[in-house]
Amino acid sequence: QKEVEQNSGPLSVPEGAIASLNCTYSDRVSQSFFWYRQYSGKSPELIMSIYSNGDKEDGRFTAQLNKASQYVSLLIRDSQPSDSATYLCAVNNGGSQGNLIFGKGTKLSVKP
Amino acid sequence: NAGVTQTPKFQVLKTGQSMTLQCAQDMNHNSMYWYRQDPGMGLRLIYYSASEGTTDKGEVPNGYNVSRLNKREFSLRLESAAPSQTSVYFCASSLLAGGFHEQYFGPGTRLTVT
Repeated sequence: QKEVEQNSGPLSVPEGAIASLNCTYSDRVSQSFFWYRQYSGKSPELIMSIYSNGDKEDGRFTAQLNKASQYVSLLIRDSQPSDSATYLCAVNNGGSQGNLIFGKGTKLSVKP
Repeated sequence: NAGVTQTPKFQVLKTGQSMTLQCAQDMNHNSMYWYRQDPGMGLRLIYYSASEGTTDKGEVPNGYNVSRLNKREFSLRLESAAPSQTSVYFCASSLLAGGFHEQYFGPGTRLTVT
């Protein structure tokens, strides 16, 4: 069974700090990786996608991918209370027509 | 651009009743998906349609049927609802299938089966 693992949290950080969210995956042939943000009672919202090893930056968000270690992370710089949400990691399934497998999410709380 | 829309937003059914959840996208995407989200279980794929005219089972298809009505619309039908189908249902779409393309989600339908 292919899996995507995330620490469920809650992860609590003070306003202005860096929040670090981690995700590991079991399928070595996975090629695409996504981070979604989900506010309570709302639908998942795409934040970033990453396909190559290394870092990808978009505003306050940085996604990091290490395929050798089967690990992808999301850093949020200058965290704001509005960043408080559950963050979902999604990885493409190398078999099964490449559908996405979602982790269960990490709940982030940014304290003012 | 509305993106992905879903109807209804909320629904309560009695065991054994049937209903259809509707989904439409206006992004000219080829691929569409139905997920369910349960506490502690994450998002699980029910069915997907890689392109107009095709549908395939996902991880948890039992008790559901789907129809890809046209390129824009993808519906999910519960023929005989069971309490185990109480969940939040999300429709999503992507430009193409295969997991390389970003998926965009609709607002969801919160379904309770009593």
